[in-house]
Amino acid sequence: GDSVTQMEGPVTLSEEAFLTINCTYTATGYPSLFWYVQYPGEGLQLLLKATKADDKGSNKGFEATYRKETTSFHLEKGSVQVSDSAVYFCALSAKARNTGNQFYFGTGTSLTVIP
Amino acid sequence: EPEVTQTPSHQVTQMGQEVILRCVPISNHLYFYWYRQILGQKVEFLVSFYNNEISEKSEIFDDQFSVERPDGSNFTLKIRSTKLEDSAMYFCASSEFVPQYFGPGTRLLVL
Repeated sequence: GDSVTQMEGPVTLSEEAFLTINCTYTATGYPSLFWYVQYPGEGLQLLLKATKADDKGSNKGFEATYRKETTSFHLEKGSVQVSDSAVYFCALSAKARNTGNQFYFGTGTSLTVIP
Repeated sequence: EPEVTQTPSHQVTQMGQEVILRCVPISNHLYFYWYRQILGQKVEFLVSFYNNEISEKSEIFDDQFSVERPDGSNFTLKIRSTKLEDSAMYFCASSEFVPQYFGPGTRLLVL
């Protein structure tokens, strides 16, 4: 079945370091891919998305490229800030017979950025 | 910017009691969802709802659970006879199709 495998955390980085959080997926068909972020005590916020192969999603300095050949959607940011400390979830949206889209989430990667 | 809202933000209940979690989806959205996240674990799909009926449900969504759209704005999740293991954060989401937009969640604690 459809699934998402996400890099285990926690990840601790110094401010201005480069961030990569790996995400690979398994899906039949052509899913859409997402990164969601969960700040402490809050809900899930959409960070970025890509709906087809080779699309690059970007937002707030974060980027991820939908790579069909490697079934990956790795999240990157060139220079992290303390305010980026949160849990990051990779997600896959599988079309469900035109009645909606079931999302499959990865386990989440906790990122802590230290000054 | 429109957003999904959920009430209450926190709920504490006794085992065996019924709880109703409420959600107000974004007004022009057609698809509605419930997810849960047990503390420290992944976000799990419970159910999707479209055209006034359940369109998909996971194996977690057993007879203990039900969903309803009682009027044009609310979307509710009812848990009958709560169990200790129902303690989790429950997220509502809505969408036109993709992506889904999530509410802030209701933290349910069953004692």
